[in-house]
Parts: sequence; C-alpha cells; structure tokens
Amino acid sequence: YELTQSPSVSVSPGQTARITCSGDTLPKQYAYWYQQKAGQAPVLVIYQDSERPSGIPERFSGSSSGTTVTLTISRVQAEDEADYYCQSIDTSGTFHVVFGGGTTLTVL
Amino acid sequence: EVELVESGGGLVQPGGSLRLSCAASGFTFSNFWMHWVRQAPGKGLVWVARINSDGSRINYADFVKGRFTISRDNAKNTLSLQMSSLRAEDTAVYYCARDPDTTSTWFDPWGQGTLVTVSS
Repeated sequence: YELTQSPSVSVSPGQTARITCSGDTLPKQYAYWYQQKAGQAPVLVIYQDSERPSGIPERFSGSSSGTTVTLTISRVQAEDEADYYCQSIDTSGTFHVVFGGGTTLTVL
Repeated sequence: EVELVESGGGLVQPGGSLRLSCAASGFTFSNFWMHWVRQAPGKGLVWVARINSDGSRINYADFVKGRFTISRDNAKNTLSLQMSSLRAEDTAVYYCARDPDTTSTWFDPWGQGTLVTVSS
C-alpha cells in the first residue's frame, strides 16, 4: 500500500500552495499531515483529513475527495518552507502505518 | 508541556545491537499508544513499530523481521527500542512519537530524534 505525493511544489509568498496525496485506502481511512523543517522533527499540522491542531495557523487546511487528500496553505510565508508528509494506515492485512514520500515546499 | 526525549543512538558495527530510549513527560504516559518512526539521511519517514498503553499489543513493520523489540516501562515513563542484527540500511534518525487517539493512528508530538549509524 502506498501514498503518492508530488516531490515538490513552489509558490511565491502570499500565494496558495496545494499539496496532494493519493492512495487507494484514503476513502476509508483518515489522512494526517506533518510539516518537517530542515534539521527538525516533524510537526502535526492536520489530523483526520481536515482538523487543525491548536497552535497551527488557520492558513493550513485539509480536505479529502475520493482517493486524494489535499493540504492547502493559504497566504504562504517564508517560514512555511519545509517538507510535508501525508500519513495513513493500512489495516487490510497486518497493521501498517504508511507515509507518503514527502513534498518539498519552496517559497520563491 | 508534553515532551519526548530520545537517547541511545550512536555508531554501531553491522551485526551489532543498540537500545534506544524515549523519556516521556507532561502527560499520562500509561494512557497512550507509542511509536517509533525512522528517517534515513535525506529520505522520508518510515514507521517502525508501535505498542499499546499496557504493552500487551505490539506491531512491527515488515522490515524489522524479528530484529527489533519495542517495549515500555510505564512506571518510569519510558519507551524503548532494542535493535539487533543491525544493517547499514538501518542507519537513520529514530523518532519516538505519541499516538493521541485510540481509534486511529497518528503522531503528536514527536521527539527530537536520535541518530543511529551502522557502519564498520
């Protein structure tokens, strides 16, 4: 089971960045998003497809449609430059956690 | 403040063993599933193992294949990962992470990670 992310996205400050993640079980399982800045541990930015943890700016939002989930970052700032990973689970056989390959967001 | 602090990483020869620890604070450790996730240099995140709140349920990624053992000591608020028969491809930063939800699986927060290097 795999989650597929595009390797990179580039946007200018103030624009909107959309990062997608595709997987066959996403219609049945929640997706989660993590932000990882260079040299740091990952941080949860979206849980259960579209919920935002406390402390995460409202500019971060998540959505789901069929086999694709999307992380949207509005009014992108330089500080948003990071790798973003989607994550879900696979319970079709033995339990397994799956991460997407990651998307590098570059703020131009 | 919820905090996870890993330790125990270092340089080990192929075929060797290493024990990682994760000290938890700021929350009731015994109430939560815990996980290990690793990240090879320049690569993505890979889930390694999980353990339930009382240690009675454990799952591993397929590549562990009996080489790693996850455990916990709720009295000491500590999560551990015993790694043996280490290979070069096990070189990675190893993160411990709390699973906030008993009905699904996700990670919040993460520790800062500990680097394991397998090399002769």
